[in-house]
Amino acid sequence: QVQLVESGGGVVQPGRSLRLSCVVSGYTFNRYGMHWVRQAPGKGLEWVTFISYDGSDKYYVDSVKGRFTISRDNSKNTVYLQMNSLRTEDTAVYYCALMSPFDYWGQGTLVTVSS
Amino acid sequence: DIQMTQSPSSLSASVGDRVTITCRASQGIRNDLTWYQQKPGKAPKRLIYGASTLQPGVPSRFSGGGSGTEFTLTISSLQPEDFATYYCLQHINYPLVSFGGGTRVETK
Repeated sequence: QVQLVESGGGVVQPGRSLRLSCVVSGYTFNRYGMHWVRQAPGKGLEWVTFISYDGSDKYYVDSVKGRFTISRDNSKNTVYLQMNSLRTEDTAVYYCALMSPFDYWGQGTLVTVSS
Repeated sequence: DIQMTQSPSSLSASVGDRVTITCRASQGIRNDLTWYQQKPGKAPKRLIYGASTLQPGVPSRFSGGGSGTEFTLTISSLQPEDFATYYCLQHINYPLVSFGGGTRVETK
């Protein structure tokens, strides 16, 4: 049974940092790239970032470039999202996901950026 | 960047209705399009990939079509469990992907 479990969300002030984690089980984690997708309250889905199976390639949506960093530890079956210089517009539920070739998503973790 | 425009943004329908949602790409994306269903408080669920291939386990009342810049998701006979929000996703330059704005299907 495949499980993706995010953690690390919470309330943070603008300009501060937060690190999200996504622990994966039930498939061979180190064979596949991973995504983070976010959804602001009442809004649509927005792709945020991707990391390749070995961590060598990373891609980001323009709005988070230079502020967010994706990484992974294949020995721990975990993907991370380090979020720095947070803005109010980063408030969202953050999902980790394996979108290809399978369709596996976590339950999401809520990040609220507010003073 | 490739922009995906979904229409309508919301619609009201009744059980048994035929529903069609459209997704338009700002440039050609071949058939590199996926449709997702999302229910409140839940993660998205893939329905269709490759524009028209049904994900295993997804009811046959769902179908997808199109290629290039215009795509459709059709529900042939809307069921109570189909009231949800639907999103298209383009992935021609995978892993750089982008979602459409979503279509909320509500009960009339």
